Amino acid sequence: GQNIDQPTEMTATEGAIVQINCTYQTSGFNGLFWYQQHAGEAPTFLSYNVLDGLEEKGRFSSFLSRSKGYSYLLLKELQMKDSASYLCAVLHAGNNRKLIWGLGTSLAVNP
Amino acid sequence: GAVVSQHPSWVICKSGTSVKIECRSLDFQATTMFWYRQFPKQSLMLMATSNEGSKATYEQGVEKDKFLINHASLTLSTLTVTSAHPEDSSFYICSAETWDRTYEQYFGPGTRLTVT
Repeated sequence: GQNIDQPTEMTATEGAIVQINCTYQTSGFNGLFWYQQHAGEAPTFLSYNVLDGLEEKGRFSSFLSRSKGYSYLLLKELQMKDSASYLCAVLHAGNNRKLIWGLGTSLAVNP
Repeated sequence: GAVVSQHPSWVICKSGTSVKIECRSLDFQATTMFWYRQFPKQSLMLMATSNEGSKATYEQGVEKDKFLINHASLTLSTLTVTSAHPEDSSFYICSAETWDRTYEQYFGPGTRLTVT
């Protein structure tokens, strides 16, 4: 079966660091994505990991361990505008290539 | 680059009528487009995958006769919700991928459908 787990909600303070975890069990794997989605808007691309390790892009970093079926998104120097839902998605391999989505983590950044 | 537009951004229709939503890739050719539905505080649910010039592949549980998808060109896909019911009220989002960057999907801004 296909399963992606991430926490439902998280709260953090402006200026702090927060780590959002994602674990997955999928029948195929061709990379893992993190997207940010503000309420009422479409998702925006944050990162893509296909190899193990850490990918850093400004204040955001994403980590992948394929052997553990685990990823995390690290947000540094949190800003109020980072309050959003963060979606973990696995790209399914094979002919029927599609994204399998987690339910998303709603992050609230407080002053 | 890689901009996807959707039209309309919101629509209100009466129960029993049909609504067409357009998804366009503005500055690239989209080999594949995806249609999603999202209910409040829930994640994206893939409805169907469409490739230009061929029939769409629908996910299990999605009625293909109710949600008609046409992908007539490399820059345009349409979703028609036929005989709409209030339970079809949702946020519909399309995304597109290209042949040269097939690992990333570019999302449209979404269409808010309300059926009264």
